[in-house]
Amino acid sequence: QVQLVQSGAEVKKPGSSVKVSCRASGGTFSRNPISWVRQAPGQGLEWMGEIIPIFVTPNYAQKFQDRVTITTDESTSTAYMEVSSLRSEDTAVYYCARAVYGSGSFPYYFDYWGQGTLVTVSS
Amino acid sequence: EIVLTQSPATLSLSPGERATLSCRASQSISSSLAWYQQKPGQAPRLLIYDASNRATGIPARFSGSGSGTDFTLTISSLEPEDFAVYYCQQRSNWLEITFGPGTKVDIK
Repeated sequence: QVQLVQSGAEVKKPGSSVKVSCRASGGTFSRNPISWVRQAPGQGLEWMGEIIPIFVTPNYAQKFQDRVTITTDESTSTAYMEVSSLRSEDTAVYYCARAVYGSGSFPYYFDYWGQGTLVTVSS
Repeated sequence: EIVLTQSPATLSLSPGERATLSCRASQSISSSLAWYQQKPGQAPRLLIYDASNRATGIPARFSGSGSGTDFTLTISSLEPEDFAVYYCQQRSNWLEITFGPGTKVDIK
């Protein structure tokens, strides 16, 4: 049984950075992309980017290319997502999720999710 | 960018009724579409992948259909635990994963 366990809630000042972790257990960490998805209060789901641990190179949604860094540590089966230059609009729950292949060419649907990490940006 | 549009925004139904949720893509995405259920304070849960395949452990009252640009999630008979928000999601290339805005199914 795959489990994704995320780090705890954070409160940050505008302009600072936050780094959220996602530790995987019970599955093959290296081969499946780990994505980060955020959800602002009362809003929908927004994909931020992903990393395939075995390949290391991340993909980012265009909106987040300049402020988000996704990394992994294969030795601990942990993925990290860092957001810099935080602003109030970054207040959201951040989820990690494992993507798997369906019938198409890309791994796209998320079969396992972390529990979410609330990041609050406030002065 | 492929945009997913979901309708209606809110669906007010009673337990036992049938729910029909729509997801429309701005371009053809073949059958690479997934559906998720999300309850307050919880992470999304995968219901359907490849437009019509139920995920492990998902009850048979949930079914998906469609291909190309038009997709449907049907809940044949609503149970009390089915009142939630439902999202569709697709990926057309390595650089883009998008979600629809969601349909809230609430109790009438």
